[in-house]
Amino acid sequence: NAGVTQTPKFQVLKTGQSMTLQCAQDMNHNSMYWYRQDPGMGLRLIYYSASEGTTDKGEVPNGYNVSRLNKREFSLRLESAAPSQTSVYFCATRWGGVGTDTQYFGPGTRLTVL
Amino acid sequence: ELKVEQNPLFLSMQEGKNYTIYCNYSTTSDRLYWYRQDPGKSLESLFVLLSNGAVKQEGRLMASLDTKARLSTLHITAAVHDLSATYFCAVDMHGGSQGNLIFGKGTKLSVKP
Repeated sequence: NAGVTQTPKFQVLKTGQSMTLQCAQDMNHNSMYWYRQDPGMGLRLIYYSASEGTTDKGEVPNGYNVSRLNKREFSLRLESAAPSQTSVYFCATRWGGVGTDTQYFGPGTRLTVL
Repeated sequence: ELKVEQNPLFLSMQEGKNYTIYCNYSTTSDRLYWYRQDPGKSLESLFVLLSNGAVKQEGRLMASLDTKARLSTLHITAAVHDLSATYFCAVDMHGGSQGNLIFGKGTKLSVKP
């Protein structure tokens, strides 16, 4: 039972390159989220998927796209990476049922854009 | 726009002392979350507070929620070194319907012997 997994753990890109961050969960949760964490900024929501087949923008969606491939997988794509996207990216999941609201976070992907 | 403010942002404590971290938020919400993050690690859920007056305790940590004052507190009793970490509070942007959390900037706690 792996919980929430993210790949890759580390990545270095050059400005303008593209890449996809992968997130998978085996918790049978309905909702999935992508956050970025920058020093001194806390976490900020990029996109979320309340349930399979739906995605919506969060606080800071510009420069990103997402795909909810199935219930287990939620990917984040950077089409043309910029240095401002250097950050640690966390995927999180949530069951979505009443009374069980907490989010479970993956280990993170540390991305550097040169 | 929902804003979540934590204070202090940095806290250096001696072992055995008590202290409180404050989390203020700007719009109505009755759901508040506390997370812990160790350096270089992911976030771990500590408490979920789902109603006004909710109080939860785990070991040396106790969290409370006052929705009227839009304030949550995380109280640390008799701190020990193992509590050194960054603590985040988060509020649901939509009052709980979708789990879209707005996080505070975090309080970095250092407990010294």
